Amino acid sequence: EIVLTQSPGTLSLSPGETATLSCRASQNISSSSLAWYQQTPGQAPRLLIYGTSSRATGIPDRFSGSGSGTDFILTISRLEPEDFAVFYCQQYVSSPRTFGQGTKVEIK
Amino acid sequence: QVQLVQSGAEVKKPGSSVKVSCKASGGTFSSYAISWVRQAPGQGLAWMGGIIPIFGTTDYAQKFQGRVTITADESTSTAYMELTSLRSEDTAVYYCARVGSTGSYSDWGQGTLVTVSS
Repeated sequence: EIVLTQSPGTLSLSPGETATLSCRASQNISSSSLAWYQQTPGQAPRLLIYGTSSRATGIPDRFSGSGSGTDFILTISRLEPEDFAVFYCQQYVSSPRTFGQGTKVEIK
Repeated sequence: QVQLVQSGAEVKKPGSSVKVSCKASGGTFSSYAISWVRQAPGQGLAWMGGIIPIFGTTDYAQKFQGRVTITADESTSTAYMELTSLRSEDTAVYYCARVGSTGSYSDWGQGTLVTVSS
């Protein structure tokens, strides 16, 4: 099973700042098989990024993904009030599909 | 855009079973896979398993093996997740999600809260 470890657990930032979230895998992952999701309280997760760096439909360009091998990054530039949420990475290269434990981005 | 609508909240006794439905509209149901993900209160996301309706093939997380059954009815574009031998730790929101062509989960149901309590 591929274990995904996200850091930090919580990120406290102000609107307008840049958030950098990390996702580290326990073994190499194909870059085509890493996604990021955003979840706000009481809502279902929403796909942000797939294939490490491709934005899903309707996702603004302030969200960007990068990385390869075992280390992946989600960057959120110019944080907007609606961006404060919990973010999860997920690998879908092998079964079981696994998620990271999440990073909460909160308003400072 | 595919929309997934799940069945309503359930309250179950320990040892009983629950079956949650996920009805799809838009797109061709049998052409994509459906996965189930659960989220315990205040916790993260946990993949339970999935099904490819056109083939009827399923894949389950080892943690739920023997207790979970995922099925699909192509005639009604509905997927189901049944979990048996319920215990209090199964209290969670259960989501269905469509697996897009890229393999990521492009569309999600609204979630179904299952509460297990005596």
